[in-house]
Amino acid sequence: GENVEQHPSTLSVQEGDSAVIKCTYSDSASNYFPWYKQELGKRPQLIIDIRSNVGEKKDQRIAVTLNKTAKHFSLHITETQPEDSAVYFCAASIWGGSYIPTFGRGTSLIVHP
Amino acid sequence: DSGVTQTPKHLITATGQRVTLRCSPRSGDLSVYWYQQSLDQGLQFLIQYYNGEERAKGNILERFSAQQFPDLHSELNLSSLELGDSALYFCASSAARVDTQYFGPGTRLTVL
Repeated sequence: GENVEQHPSTLSVQEGDSAVIKCTYSDSASNYFPWYKQELGKRPQLIIDIRSNVGEKKDQRIAVTLNKTAKHFSLHITETQPEDSAVYFCAASIWGGSYIPTFGRGTSLIVHP
Repeated sequence: DSGVTQTPKHLITATGQRVTLRCSPRSGDLSVYWYQQSLDQGLQFLIQYYNGEERAKGNILERFSAQQFPDLHSELNLSSLELGDSALYFCASSAARVDTQYFGPGTRLTVL
């Protein structure tokens, strides 16, 4: 089955800095890659996603890049703010009648004011 | 608010007991997914239902079962509970043949 590795497990930055979280996946058939943000005790919320026919996608301060050849994808957050502090999960999915994601272990992002 | 509801919010029970978690998907969504989130295992897919039928199965124990009813709400039944079953259980829903899943607020299960 699919295996998703996510790094780093913890990321501490100063407000205004950029943050980058990296994920690798094992199954080349994976074609949908969502990113979720989860605040403490709350539900995961989709923040951005990318499909395998696209190399990069941007939404305001958040961007995701995908390298299918190397089987890795990354989340980039620019101009970080304290409210960006949360756990971020990447996932890789294969279409098999529906998308069943395999999640990375998560990155705890701490943005210091 | 994602539009997905889950009850109860918290559940405390003893080993060996059986509990039922309930999920109502967003209006119009036919697919319901169940996930377990624990510190040691991370976020793991358990099972998916689509319009009342089981569609996909993940790392779901035989002690666990689920169903989706005609009104599309779903229930996850956990039996013979063990300490290790303590976790956050999320359900998510999606529209037909669409990849985006919306998560509910979760049920925190504590087994003592």
